[in-house]
Amino acid sequence: KAGVTQTPRYLIKTRGQQVTLSCSPISGHRSVSWYQQTPGQGLQFLFEYFSETQRNKGNFPGRFSGRQFSNSRSEMNVSTLELGDSALYLCASSGGVKGEQYFGPGTRLTVT
Amino acid sequence: QQQVKQSPQSLIVQKGGISIINCAYENTAFDYFPWYQQFPGKGPALLIAIRPDVSEKKEGRFTISFNKSAKQFSLHIMDSQPGDSATYFCAASQTSGSRLTFGEGTQLTVNP
Repeated sequence: KAGVTQTPRYLIKTRGQQVTLSCSPISGHRSVSWYQQTPGQGLQFLFEYFSETQRNKGNFPGRFSGRQFSNSRSEMNVSTLELGDSALYLCASSGGVKGEQYFGPGTRLTVT
Repeated sequence: QQQVKQSPQSLIVQKGGISIINCAYENTAFDYFPWYQQFPGKGPALLIAIRPDVSEKKEGRFTISFNKSAKQFSLHIMDSQPGDSATYFCAASQTSGSRLTFGEGTQLTVNP
C-alpha cells in the first residue's frame, strides 16, 4: 500500500497570506489528523477528521481550519499567516483493526 | 493533565549498547502508548505500541516496558546501531486512532 502523501513538500509564504496544505491518506483509512511540529513546541495536535466531520480539535486559533472530502483526502488552511506559523505540518491517517496512526513526510512551511 | 514528559532530551550510546528512553504521563484515561522514530526531513514512523493490559512488548530489538501504577513507560533499544540514530517520541492517546499527545522527543546518537 502507498503511504500517506502530502503536498506540497515545501512552501514559502509572506506574513498575512493564506496557505492550503493537502493530505492523501493510506487507501482505506478514513481518519486523518493534522499536527504541527516546531523546535520550541514539539508535536502538537491540530485537528482530526473522520468521514468528512471534524471529530476533535486542538488548541489552535481559528486561523487554522481543515476539511475532509468524501474520498478521505484532507486539506488544512491557515489564514493571515504569522511568522510563528513556520513549522513542519504533518498529516497522519489511521484505520483498520488496530487504528494505528501513520504519518506522511510533512509540509515544511516557512513564513517570511 | 494532558502532558507526557520524556527524558532524556539527548542520549549518546556506543554501538552494541542499550538505549533507554523514559516517559511519564498524567492522564489516567490514556489507553494507548506508541513510540515513533523520526529521521531528519521525514515524518515520524511508528515503531512499536503498547496498551496498559500488558507490562512489556517486544518487537525485534525494540521493547516497551509499561508500569501502569507509576504511570510510566519506557523504550529499550537493544544492540543499538548507528542507523538507530534519530529522534524518538513517546506518545499517548485515549484510543489508538485518536489525538496523540507527544513527549518532547529524545535525540539518540549511536557512535560506531
